[in-house]
Amino acid sequence: DAKTTQPNSMESNEEEPVHLPCNHSTISGTDYIHWYRQLPSQGPEYVIHGLTSNVNNRMASLAIAEDRKSSTLILHRATLRDAAVYYCILREVNSGGSNYKLTFGKGTLLTVNP
Amino acid sequence: DTGVSQDPRHKITKRGQNVTFRCDPISEHNRLYWYRQTLGQGPEFLTYFQNEAQLEKSRLLSDRFSAERPKGSFSTLEIQRTEQGDSAMYLCASSIMTGPQETQYFGPGTRLLVL
Repeated sequence: DAKTTQPNSMESNEEEPVHLPCNHSTISGTDYIHWYRQLPSQGPEYVIHGLTSNVNNRMASLAIAEDRKSSTLILHRATLRDAAVYYCILREVNSGGSNYKLTFGKGTLLTVNP
Repeated sequence: DTGVSQDPRHKITKRGQNVTFRCDPISEHNRLYWYRQTLGQGPEFLTYFQNEAQLEKSRLLSDRFSAERPKGSFSTLEIQRTEQGDSAMYLCASSIMTGPQETQYFGPGTRLLVL
């Protein structure tokens, strides 16, 4: 899988928006951008994914740059429960038309201040 | 929906002992994954099953490691002759193949400490 670059850590205040950046300058046309997060002492959980267009779901929004070389995960109103490590992952579709493993980097540790 | 469960949640063992971990995926999920996570790092892929077939193993999975999913439901991961470097969180995930971008659902992990 292609590599991603994320800041090691970020801080936010409760009830404020958070923008978590991810650079993926070597992304290929078939790579999807996925975000997972890992709360303390838990396994990772899926947040959102997209290919080219911006995406919204109940947890977050994903803004994808026009050239797809970067993306931003947006938490509209951070809560204390959003404190976690956020992973930006590229998943490519293999020659068989599917993919499987997730390749995690170190992610961004988000601290939310009350 | 009970989610992915793993047992035990914690395991302390002495170097050289064998350990076995169990993962129960979400029912009807046909894919099951094992990952390993060391402190300060993201999870690393170890192996995955589609139904009962083990389709890929990472180079990280030395010959001391073996994983099974005998009936396509629960899975076990065994580590023989444990070493201190095996100390890590072992995570299991499951998914149902609905397309090329299926979501993986992770369990809480088994934390292994090798003394």
